[in-house]
Amino acid sequence: DAGVIQSPRHEVTEMGQEVTLRCKPISGHNSLFWYRQTMMRGLELLIYFNNNVPIDDSGMPEDRFSAKMPNASFSTLKIQPSEPRDSAVYFCASSLARTDTQYFGPGTRLTVL
Amino acid sequence: AQSVTQPDIHITVSEGASLELRCNYSYGATPYLFWYVQSPGQGLQLLLKYFSGDTLVQGIKGFEAEFKRSQSSFNLRKPSVHWSDAAEYFCAVGPNNNDMRFGAGTRLTVKP
Repeated sequence: DAGVIQSPRHEVTEMGQEVTLRCKPISGHNSLFWYRQTMMRGLELLIYFNNNVPIDDSGMPEDRFSAKMPNASFSTLKIQPSEPRDSAVYFCASSLARTDTQYFGPGTRLTVL
Repeated sequence: AQSVTQPDIHITVSEGASLELRCNYSYGATPYLFWYVQSPGQGLQLLLKYFSGDTLVQGIKGFEAEFKRSQSSFNLRKPSVHWSDAAEYFCAVGPNNNDMRFGAGTRLTVKP
């Protein structure tokens, strides 16, 4: 079975540019989570969806960040405009249900110059 | 508020030696507790989790963890470490699977 798929795996961009990170959850999973990992702050939950609906976005750092889940097999995390402090590894995870184990993707390493 | 403390940033053990990674949590009720492992360049993989019942939890790859309410701890153990166990280990706590708070992680180095 394919796990959680994230693209791109690496992204280097310049400050002010728009960045879009993509995630394909495991087929059949109903919940999807976006995390950010940095040395300073560790692993933080940004937002999670249940049945394509955002349930909790309290972890989204500011209005420059937005996330969408147009269907059960695709989600995006967008940063516009990007800033150097957004440099981090962004993980997507999915679970079969809200109370089930989360399966993580390999992450997208974002560098904003 | 819930929080997790992993006191050890980096631990080095010899291959074949026993391992214990510490995790202390702060939570108002009985929490859900988790241990995840992250290999370099990879996502996190669940090793084990505790919700209720037996306080000694068995996980994958020969790992186990013990929930001690009186000490607010959930330490991860393995009797004999293999070189492939070198990775970063994260403890997490939450009211359920969704709203987890992760510790800062402990990086494990295994000496030959």
